[in-house]
Amino acid sequence: GIQVEQSPPDLILQEGANSTLRCNFSDSVNNLQWFHQNPWGQLINLFYIPSGTKQNGRLSATTVATERYSLLYISSSQTTDSGVYFCAVVRSTDKLIFGTGTRLQVFP
Amino acid sequence: KAGVTQTPRYLIKTRGQQVTLSCSPISGHRSVSWYQQTPGQGLQFLFEYFSETQRNKGNFPGRFSGRQFSNSRSEMNVSTLELGDSALYLCASSLTVAKNIQYFGAGTRLSVL
Repeated sequence: GIQVEQSPPDLILQEGANSTLRCNFSDSVNNLQWFHQNPWGQLINLFYIPSGTKQNGRLSATTVATERYSLLYISSSQTTDSGVYFCAVVRSTDKLIFGTGTRLQVFP
Repeated sequence: KAGVTQTPRYLIKTRGQQVTLSCSPISGHRSVSWYQQTPGQGLQFLFEYFSETQRNKGNFPGRFSGRQFSNSRSEMNVSTLELGDSALYLCASSLTVAKNIQYFGAGTRLSVL
């Protein structure tokens, strides 16, 4: 089946720093979503981005479907950005296949 | 518009018992999917329901089952609980099939003692 790999696995930043999270997938996909899992476990939708670029405030995402990767950019990070970031893809079977996540810690 | 609601939020059970978890999707959403999250296996797909029919099933034993009602609310059941079933169970809803944007509930954290 399709493989979804995220890097880096862990990221430690000071408030105000910028970061780039990467998601590689091994086959073509119909759907790609980025999520932020907060400390209480809830998955918060960040982007639905099967291709192209989107921006939402300090966050932006780019998916290059032909090269099978997606990037999530976080600018001017805040302590509230801490948590685990997941990308998840849908191929042909309508189920989300999650990557292993990037754990982000932002310190004041 | 209310989000995806999962109940209960926390559960403690003992081995051999059974448990039922509930998920109410966003109003108007007809597809409900369930996922299990554990530290060792990450987030794994359990099953998906659409219009009261199971459309997709993940690689879990038959002890894991689910259903969907005519109002799109869904339940999942785990029978003969094992220690390894301790996990965060997440429910997601989407408008039609799962290729659309999926929205997640806060999850039910199950501990099996």
